[in-house]
Amino acid sequence: EDKVVQSPLSLVVHEGDTVTLNCSYEVTNFRSLLWYKQEKKAPTFLFMLTSSGIEKKSGRLSSILDKKELFSILNITATQTGDSAVYLCATLNRDDKIIFGKGTRLHILP
Amino acid sequence: GAGVSQSPRYKVAKRGQDVALRCDPISGHVSLFWYQQALGQGPEFLTYFQNEAQLDKSGLPSDRFFAERPEGSVSTLKIQRTQQEDSAVYLCASSPTAPGYEQYFGPGTRLTVT
Repeated sequence: EDKVVQSPLSLVVHEGDTVTLNCSYEVTNFRSLLWYKQEKKAPTFLFMLTSSGIEKKSGRLSSILDKKELFSILNITATQTGDSAVYLCATLNRDDKIIFGKGTRLHILP
Repeated sequence: GAGVSQSPRYKVAKRGQDVALRCDPISGHVSLFWYQQALGQGPEFLTYFQNEAQLDKSGLPSDRFFAERPEGSVSTLKIQRTQQEDSAVYLCASSPTAPGYEQYFGPGTRLTVT
């Protein structure tokens, strides 16, 4: 059965810290991995990763995919209270099936 | 700019009632997805449309769930004879491409079945 597993499930850090969120997957016909940030209601798109070893970066956020070891990490440097959210990882396979992990709940203390 | 909108935002239904949830995707978006998100869980895929064609409905949990997108724009998710386990947030997402790598989510409809 296809699955996406995120760790940790929750994380509390102080403002200014750097965090690493993990996503591992076992998915048939894998195509891409997606990261989303979910605050109050709707997830917002962060990154799509298709190739191994190529880092995607947006401001203080960056992400990389390892297709050999079947995982991805999302890094957030110099965290701010506005980074508090649930971070969702999802996989897209070649049959257009999207599977989400349960998310990592990140809380940044001021 | 106009994003994905959903209505109603909140719905309380008595067990056994039928409900209809509406999704207005971003204009021109080809792909439309419905997800069910229980508290503390990630979104669970329900169904996927490419224009008006429902290409995948494998995530619909039972035959009480029905979705349509007759003109390839607005979509409706209908749940018949609601049960308490149907209580969840129902998210709609649209994408300009097929199958839809970059999805834009609506605010969701929180359904509570009492």
